[in-house]
Amino acid sequence: SQQGEEDPQALSIQEGENATMNCSYKTSINNLQWYRQNSGRGLVHLILIRSNEREKHSGRLRVTLDTSKKSSSLLITASRAADTASYFCATRNFNKFYFGSGTKLNVKP
Amino acid sequence: SAVISQKPSRDICQRGTSLTIQCQVDSQVTMMFWYRQQPGQSLTLIATANQGSEATYESGFVIDKFPISRPNLTFSTLTVSNMSPEDSSIYLCSVVGGRNTDTQYFGPGTRLTVL
Repeated sequence: SQQGEEDPQALSIQEGENATMNCSYKTSINNLQWYRQNSGRGLVHLILIRSNEREKHSGRLRVTLDTSKKSSSLLITASRAADTASYFCATRNFNKFYFGSGTKLNVKP
Repeated sequence: SAVISQKPSRDICQRGTSLTIQCQVDSQVTMMFWYRQQPGQSLTLIATANQGSEATYESGFVIDKFPISRPNLTFSTLTVSNMSPEDSSIYLCSVVGGRNTDTQYFGPGTRLTVL
């Protein structure tokens, strides 16, 4: 069920900097969702963007979607040490969900 | 959002034994899924748990190894049978539907170690 790739695989930044993660996928989608996972625990849903949307904001998060390029990006602004986690994108195609390979973000205090 | 609980949260088991993981949701949901996440990896879908009928398994997963039940719209179980060390993973339950029909929500996961 893993159909996408995320890059970078790992990202290390200083607190206060912005972090950008990219997700590419292969098939048509209904929506794309971003999740955060801390230390192998459950996934926390961050934001959902539908296939007819191009950009969405939620607090310090900004997500873009380019269906022509089959890609999405997640921007975290003014990062904090607490943002340290793995981030996954997941695409929905009807009743199937496909996860990207994930980006490990390390925010240094 | 849906509130999902899983039991147990973690377990250490001997090879050859079986473990049943429970997933409980606080509201009726349309779809329930079971995923496996091996150490350092992304999520792999095991199956879709269908209410009142047999689960739909993904390629590489079979009912004899991962029997699944879903007796109602709020509860499901996944059994990992005849375990080997290769089954050591985090097992995650997820749901779609209920109050929000688009978003997939996840339980806290069950961390399984097989010796």
